[in-house]
Amino acid sequence: GQQLNQSPQSMFIQEGEDVSMNCTSSSIFNTWLWYKQDPGEGPVLLIALYKAGELTSNGRLTAQFGITRKDSFLNISASIPSDVGIYFCAGKETSGSRLTFGEGTQLTVNP
Amino acid sequence: GAVVSQHPSWVICKSGTSVKIECRSLDFQATTMFWYRQFPKQSLMLMATSNEGSKATYEQGVEKDKFLINHASLTLSTLTVTSAHPEDSSFYICSAPGQGVDTQYFGPGTRLTVL
Repeated sequence: GQQLNQSPQSMFIQEGEDVSMNCTSSSIFNTWLWYKQDPGEGPVLLIALYKAGELTSNGRLTAQFGITRKDSFLNISASIPSDVGIYFCAGKETSGSRLTFGEGTQLTVNP
Repeated sequence: GAVVSQHPSWVICKSGTSVKIECRSLDFQATTMFWYRQFPKQSLMLMATSNEGSKATYEQGVEKDKFLINHASLTLSTLTVTSAHPEDSSFYICSAPGQGVDTQYFGPGTRLTVL
């Protein structure tokens, strides 16, 4: 079955630092999605990617769809305390098919 | 983005009872909805795909007779945990596909605690 490896599992950074996390898949994806989940809440969509090589920004967040279509990364620039949470990547092999989730990256930002 | 709501946000029940969780798409119609379960410090695991007007599709290892899914309208899917036991305690989250875009929007989740 599909496997999605997300790294790192956790990060502890100082406010103002940049952050990078990535996901790699054992199979080709047509869609990559990045979500953030706060404690006790559902995931909130941050960025959606649909084309190989696509680079998309959402404020201080930037994500890219890998050229091989088997990987994606998310960058957060100039981190702030409210960036704390768990970030998940998710991929879909074809439109309308199920989402496969990564294991998540727990981000801690020290003021 | 599209708004998905869940009710209740949390529920505590006794072992052996049944609990119903509702998932609604508030400003759009969804012929398909998805139900996930998330244990502490773990990722989301897809339990089943809810299909409006037809039977749900369950993932391998998920008991369809224990987790009853009903998608009676284009804006409502329900998940009923029957004869709940403490090991069913978890965070249950639903999602619905976006309109015109290939994505999924998630509800706020329901925390189930079975005593």
